[in-house]
Amino acid sequence: EPEVTQTPSHQVTQMGQEVILRCVPISNHLYFYWYRQILGQKVEFLVSFYNNEISEKSEIFDDQFSVERPDGSNFTLKIRSTKLEDSAMYFCASSPGLSSYEQYFGPGTRLTVT
Amino acid sequence: AQSVTQLGSHVSVSEGALVLLRCNYSSSVPPYLFWYVQYPNQGLQLLLKYTSAATLVKGINGFEAEFKKSETSFHLTKPSAHMSDAAEYFCAVSDLGGTSYGKLTFGQGTILTVHP
Repeated sequence: EPEVTQTPSHQVTQMGQEVILRCVPISNHLYFYWYRQILGQKVEFLVSFYNNEISEKSEIFDDQFSVERPDGSNFTLKIRSTKLEDSAMYFCASSPGLSSYEQYFGPGTRLTVT
Repeated sequence: AQSVTQLGSHVSVSEGALVLLRCNYSSSVPPYLFWYVQYPNQGLQLLLKYTSAATLVKGINGFEAEFKKSETSFHLTKPSAHMSDAAEYFCAVSDLGGTSYGKLTFGQGTILTVHP
């Protein structure tokens, strides 16, 4: 069964460093998303991506964040200068779109900023 | 704006007992509703979805949920709990009928514990 994959599973970085989180969505899906879950808190929407551009972003998704689909398969989230408060589990999701609205999530990348 | 409230951050049941996890939503447009399950150290797995068809929705692992518009609820049930059901459960709403591109708004989650 097709699934969303994410790498790495765990990333440790120092404050101020750039990180890139990678995702491979399910093939033929049209909509892509990033969410994050700070320990003990709700899963929060960051950004949605469709037709090679951002379709919606949350207040959390400021200028420090960017997303890209550099080729036909990968979908990346970049944080330019990490802060301590960026420590969280980051989930990638994809959705078929059209008449299918469910989102399929990857296993997540745990980002630890020290 | 959408929101989801899950009543009870922790629910504990005995094996074989009824599971009832409560979810109430708020949405300015007809909602699409989802339940996800998260096992320890894993991602979110879709349990079931409501997308304006039948109000009683059946999902995987014997779970089902009923959409009640008058009560703005989408409670998750399972007739008989199994030890393997122990996990955290998230209710989520999407306002695909609005301007959103399917953004999910999640509840705070309910941790289900199953006792032998």
